[in-house]
Amino acid sequence: GQNIDQPTEMTATEGAIVQINCTYQTSGFNGLFWYQQHAGEAPTFLSYNVLDGLEEKGRFSSFLSRSKGYSYLLLKELQMKDSASYLCAVRDNGGATNKLIFGTGTLLAVQP
Amino acid sequence: DVKVTQSSRYLVKRTGEKVFLECVQDMDHENMFWYRQDPGLGLRLIYFSYDVKMKEKGDIPEGYSVSREKKERFSLILESASTNQTSMYLCASIDPSQGGQPQHFGDGTRLSIL
Repeated sequence: GQNIDQPTEMTATEGAIVQINCTYQTSGFNGLFWYQQHAGEAPTFLSYNVLDGLEEKGRFSSFLSRSKGYSYLLLKELQMKDSASYLCAVRDNGGATNKLIFGTGTLLAVQP
Repeated sequence: DVKVTQSSRYLVKRTGEKVFLECVQDMDHENMFWYRQDPGLGLRLIYFSYDVKMKEKGDIPEGYSVSREKKERFSLILESASTNQTSMYLCASIDPSQGGQPQHFGDGTRLSIL
């Protein structure tokens, strides 16, 4: 079956670093996406990994290991505005459909 | 920037009503999607469309139908609304020719069925 696991909640301190993990078991793999979603708002795209390794984008980085079915999102120099849900999503095949399978999201609370 | 517009942010309807949720995108994307998002369950795919008049069922299509008469517009229809369809509904679109491009989401419609 298709399964994506991520922690339900995490708490971190302003200015610190936090790592949000995601493990997946899918019938195929054609890329992994991380989205940020503030309460009551639409998900917004953060990062994309299709090959193994680290992708860095400012304060945010994302890592992928396809052999382990594992990814993480790393947030550095945390700010209060980073309090949000972080969604991990796998595209399980290529072609015309581009369907994504989403995890249930990790709710991150950044404290002063 | 891609703009995905959903017709209503908040909607209240009654049990048994026929409900239409509209979604319009302005980037000529071929693929469009409807999800619902519920606490603890994440985003679940209801239906998607990969071309005009083409549609496929997602993971939870029961109680819903869709319409795609024009490329830019994808409508979700609740044939006879029930209280268990109270949820946040999100529309998304993507250009399938761009491999690393993400799905772009609308702001969502929070639907309450009374």
